[in-house]
Amino acid sequence: SQQGEEDPQALSIQEGENATMNCSYKTSINNLQWYRQNSGRGLVHLILIRSNEREKHSGRLRVTLDTSKKSSSLLITASRAADTASYFCATEVAGANSKLTFGKGITLSVRP
Amino acid sequence: GAVVSQHPSRVICKSGTSVKIECRSLDFQATTMFWYRQFPKQSLMLMATSNEGSKATYEQGVEKDKFLINHASLTLSTLTVTSAHPEDSSFYICSSNRRTLQETQYFGPGTRLLVL
Repeated sequence: SQQGEEDPQALSIQEGENATMNCSYKTSINNLQWYRQNSGRGLVHLILIRSNEREKHSGRLRVTLDTSKKSSSLLITASRAADTASYFCATEVAGANSKLTFGKGITLSVRP
Repeated sequence: GAVVSQHPSRVICKSGTSVKIECRSLDFQATTMFWYRQFPKQSLMLMATSNEGSKATYEQGVEKDKFLINHASLTLSTLTVTSAHPEDSSFYICSSNRRTLQETQYFGPGTRLLVL
């Protein structure tokens, strides 16, 4: 069963704009991770945020986590055409021994 | 970052044949490997967790006799789709995490299976 639900399902923006993607989940987690997948390829790990953290940065990425609302957001600043991909949030449920549950994904299109 | 490879990258087979997919961690030891399948424009669904030297743990609804998993060493896990049928056509992805850094999973590039 899927734990994470992202929104929007699809996002189209102009190069240079910021892209914000949201993820909600249902149960207690150890951590939440964001991944990126180019069409027909494997997943690339972007960033991990632990349940006791509220915000993390990595380059142009900013992730927030609100455990009271069971939600996370991924912000990509100054987007580039190369950021076009599908983005997934994945949660490691507490006690699940590294097992990840993925959301449905968000398709991001960045227009040059 | 850590590298996980999969072989083959794509395979086409006839219905009724068996297909073996290999997942290797190239520069680290992987005590645990995970196998996922992904249908077009959908999310990844975990099929099973493979532990080195022990039996795999399958998710609910995944037939263990249909999808045979062998994790014979700390760097190799194999998934065999037995008696494949067209509905088994999918994108199969493996992942693993380092023994010393359990949280981050490293994903293979995936194997596209098409069963005719």
